[in-house]
Amino acid sequence: QSALTQPASVSGSPGQSITISCTGTSSDVGSYNLVSWYQQHPGKVPKLIIYEVIKRPSGVSNRFSGSKSGNTASLTISGLQAEDEADYYCASYAGSTTFVVFGGGTKLTVL
Amino acid sequence: QVQLLESGPGLAKPSETLSLTCAVSGYSISSGYYWGWIRQPPGKGLEWIGTIYHSGSTYYNPPLKSRVTISVDTSKNQFSLKLRSVTAADTAVYYCARTDGTWEWDYWGQGTLVTVSS
Repeated sequence: QSALTQPASVSGSPGQSITISCTGTSSDVGSYNLVSWYQQHPGKVPKLIIYEVIKRPSGVSNRFSGSKSGNTASLTISGLQAEDEADYYCASYAGSTTFVVFGGGTKLTVL
Repeated sequence: QVQLLESGPGLAKPSETLSLTCAVSGYSISSGYYWGWIRQPPGKGLEWIGTIYHSGSTYYNPPLKSRVTISVDTSKNQFSLKLRSVTAADTAVYYCARTDGTWEWDYWGQGTLVTVSS
């Protein structure tokens, strides 16, 4: 069982927007603005797409955005494209004992 | 451009020690950043194993802490993972990756599959 809870799957049609939630606790997501999101296509290496809750690395499409409210972080993908079909993982800093926790991953299907 | 490359045996026997090395190019480990290991069992999610700073300070995932050692060799610009007393549950793709003090992983190795089997 993962420390952070994500929906197992989400889906959307091209052009639509979808949101993936990542629920933690007051010991991780709720306490630190150190949530990151990763995109992983089948058989590929995870790619950082959001860090520090809302920041995008250089080269990542602005269709990807992050947010946080309380113990839940969210990843929103707007203008859904076929290439967005992948697994998405959240991660959060969790303090100086646990350090890092990941979510179980969400499979995004573009219909 | 920063590149990381894992190497090591793809097969480990139960109860033995899994050993992997991550060679870094395009950046000197001794210049900073944190360097770590993350694994992914087949068909499952990501699990952080541990992280090391160039100075040698280490940080481990508590459930794995008793079995894990991560070390750094700045002269070779590489860092290593040792996981002791492995079982089939340790079968996974093992990634090495880089992070800064805010704990996001910006550069990843290609990953290496390690199977634990007799």
